[in-house]
Amino acid sequence: GENVEQHPSTLSVQEGDSAVIKCTYSDSASNYFPWYKQELGKRPQLIIDIRSNVGEKKDQRIAVTLNKTAKHFSLHITETQPEDSAVYFCAASGLANTGGFKTIFGAGTRLFVKA
Amino acid sequence: GAVVSQHPSWVICKSGTSVKIECRSLDFQATTMFWYRQFPKQSLMLMATSNEGSKATYEQGVEKDKFLINHASLTLSTLTVTSAHPEDSSFYICSARRTYSNQPQHFGDGTRLSIL
Repeated sequence: GENVEQHPSTLSVQEGDSAVIKCTYSDSASNYFPWYKQELGKRPQLIIDIRSNVGEKKDQRIAVTLNKTAKHFSLHITETQPEDSAVYFCAASGLANTGGFKTIFGAGTRLFVKA
Repeated sequence: GAVVSQHPSWVICKSGTSVKIECRSLDFQATTMFWYRQFPKQSLMLMATSNEGSKATYEQGVEKDKFLINHASLTLSTLTVTSAHPEDSSFYICSARRTYSNQPQHFGDGTRLSIL
């Protein structure tokens, strides 16, 4: 079945350094890739997304890249700050066999930014 | 825009009680809503997809008679945990997506359910 793998499961960086989280997907029908940030005890919030017709998207300190051929996409956070500490989830979404759209989430990456 | 309200945020009740959780899309219509369960320090586990006006689609291993889902309108889905037991204690989160579109899901604040 469809699957989204996310690495690493835990990532610890020093404040000011960059953090990179990588995901791979298996379903060729996936064409929309959102990233969510979940702080402890709170809801996952959309931070950036990318569609399959572009290879890269940037929003201030956050960027996402997509390699459709390899079925890889990555989240890049530059100049990390302690408030970036959270769990990050990638997801892949596309047309489902049964109609409608199906979204599959990665297992999450726990990011620690040390001050 | 795209606000999802989930209520209640916290429930503590005795074993055997049934608990209803509401998920509302406040400023958009959502023909599809999703119910997730999340254990501490773990990922989002999709339980079921709630479809307005039709039966929910449950993921493998999720008991449909245990977790009743009703999606009676374009802005409201409810999850009822029937005869809850301590093993049902968890963090339940709903999400909603705009009608018939490959758009991001917007999540509610979640409901922390504790069964004594």
